[in-house]
Amino acid sequence: DGGITQSPKYLFRKEGQNVTLSCEQNLNHDAMYWYRQDPGQGLRLIYYSQIVNDFQKGDIAEGYSVSREKKESFPLTVTSAQKNPTAFYLCASSNPGGLAGVSNTGELFFGEGSRLTVL
Amino acid sequence: GQQLNQSPQSMFIQEGEDVSMNCTSSSIFNTWLWYKQDPGEGPVLLIALYKAGELTSNGRLTAQFGITRKDSFLNISASIPSDVGIYFCAGRRNQAGTALIFGKGTTLSVSS
Repeated sequence: DGGITQSPKYLFRKEGQNVTLSCEQNLNHDAMYWYRQDPGQGLRLIYYSQIVNDFQKGDIAEGYSVSREKKESFPLTVTSAQKNPTAFYLCASSNPGGLAGVSNTGELFFGEGSRLTVL
Repeated sequence: GQQLNQSPQSMFIQEGEDVSMNCTSSSIFNTWLWYKQDPGEGPVLLIALYKAGELTSNGRLTAQFGITRKDSFLNISASIPSDVGIYFCAGRRNQAGTALIFGKGTTLSVSS
């Protein structure tokens, strides 16, 4: 089945350690995104990539890094510079070549999320 | 970054009741979307709206794109226990771009 797979679903890390969250999609979508969710805060955009080997900072990129070496993969690294990393992280993808703005075929589809807890 | 103003923040209702929630913005949006998130899962798209004044239904859910293009509402009729979750509105200002702006969510609790 086509979809977006995030791993791990739960992750614990010690302060000062970097950690990488995986996001893989087999939907053949061009664009991929990382959002952070905190209770009562909604979804905030960390980074997004509209094409392989290119990505842009979102609203809260500080302390995070990404890469987009393959179309289907968009890993997120939470670095030790991120002051409050405990959160639920959501990966999403979309197909800008789809009919976004005309039908829902170009809209965002989300993975099941990864919950990171810093001890 | 800008966030949409979504209200109410939470709702506690009885099974069978109707529910209404809305999102407003000071800016004009070209697209309004409504997502539902079950606990520990990613959001799932419920309804997408692309034209001012558009009214769209998906089962017991109905959403409208405000005529001013600065607001949208979602109604759920005859709520059931599986409607429990967090409902997010999302908007896009530029149809050529793909970045969405999300509201902070409405947490719905349904008692049977």
